[in-house]
Amino acid sequence: SYELTQPPSLSVSPGQTARITCSGDNLGDRFASWYQQRPGQSPVLVLYQDDKRPSGIPERFSGSNSGNTATLTISGTQAMDEADYYCQAWDTGTPRAVFGGGTKLTVL
Amino acid sequence: QVTLKESGPALVRHTQTLTLTCTLSGFSLSTSGVRVSWIRQSPGKALEWLARIDWDDDKFYSASLRTRLTISKDTSKNQVVLTMTNMDPVDTATYYCARILYDSSGFGAFDIWGQGTLVTVFS
Repeated sequence: SYELTQPPSLSVSPGQTARITCSGDNLGDRFASWYQQRPGQSPVLVLYQDDKRPSGIPERFSGSNSGNTATLTISGTQAMDEADYYCQAWDTGTPRAVFGGGTKLTVL
Repeated sequence: QVTLKESGPALVRHTQTLTLTCTLSGFSLSTSGVRVSWIRQSPGKALEWLARIDWDDDKFYSASLRTRLTISKDTSKNQVVLTMTNMDPVDTATYYCARILYDSSGFGAFDIWGQGTLVTVFS
């Protein structure tokens, strides 16, 4: 079955750039989505189709997807960006959705 | 305003069947291209996709839970129902329903999520 791998944690200082990676076999051949989940809240879509931002998502969130790795980049990270981030893609042959294990972003 | 709201029992006994309902508002499951999924999250763990149902009644399931899950829709009530049989304490989780963003490929992102409902399975 298809799998997505994320680093468990990442720490950045306020104002720095955070880059969260998501790895999967030929991930670049399919679209990746990214979700932000703050403690006690439902996930929120922050990027879809690799690099598109839904309405209301700040421009500091950007994305790329090539080869085996998709990357969520948060420029000028703010304290409010501290959350868990999950990547997601579809195993299109089945079709079944797959989530990465999540990355806890700490802003300190 | 587009919303989804999950409802169901907060407590389920080991081996019982769980039935959860997702009530849609602001969009209709009878509209071409509409797709809805169920996703769960065990305490402190990652998101886990469970099932999906499309406007045309196509259904897809997690490979690992396929034998225990049934997803269905009631278009008259604009609801999606998930049943999971033979519940076990490891199934304790927050269960979310989410809309799939329209995409001609059928593989869109989950753009709107419900608030989730916590289900605890006890022995």
